[in-house]
Amino acid sequence: QQPVQSPQAVILREGEDAVINCSSSKALYSVHWYRQKHGEAPVFLMILLKGGEQKGHEKISASFNEKKQQSSLYLTASQLSYSGTYFCGRRGGGSNYKLTFGKGTLLTVNP
Amino acid sequence: DTEVTQTPKHLVMGMTNKKSLKCEQHMGHRAMYWYKQKAKKPPELMFVYSYEKLSINESVPSRFSPECPNSSLLNLHLHALQPEDSALYLCASSQERGGDTEAFFGQGTRLTVV
Repeated sequence: QQPVQSPQAVILREGEDAVINCSSSKALYSVHWYRQKHGEAPVFLMILLKGGEQKGHEKISASFNEKKQQSSLYLTASQLSYSGTYFCGRRGGGSNYKLTFGKGTLLTVNP
Repeated sequence: DTEVTQTPKHLVMGMTNKKSLKCEQHMGHRAMYWYKQKAKKPPELMFVYSYEKLSINESVPSRFSPECPNSSLLNLHLHALQPEDSALYLCASSQERGGDTEAFFGQGTRLTVV
């Protein structure tokens, strides 16, 4: 039930763009995105819900294709502060707090 | 105050010891979580409390015993742990709205079992 993330790692220069993908073989009712810097707590980025609703930070954009059970996180004009491991989390549905995270994508932004 | 506070930050314990991890939040959140995270792995859900009642137990061994004494506090009691239990233990909280709300994570307790 663990969602699959790609790529596993990506290295950017400041100002470049990146896309991180998340897909699931099981039904996706919502997708949650978090970023975790080394030695720190995961920090919420965005939730994408069925029907197109999104909750999150204005500077982050993402998409959710319900038919394909895929989500993508778009990082544009990357900054050094974007570095970290990005996790997508799959929630199965219902009033269920269980969030299953993918293995993560390590993003490194260099000057 | 949008903080989740965990204590201690680091803990080393022997396999015969009993210790407790503590987590506190004052955001009025009624859902609280324990996650376990191994190095270079994603957080794995252990327990969920909703309105101070255990809602989810992800088949966690009984040597881990959660407790939610009130709406602001969450404890994880540890007893007879194994070296493979060494990990970062994260506490999180969220509003109680069925699961699709932002979770706030604490900085974690880095546990080493010797």
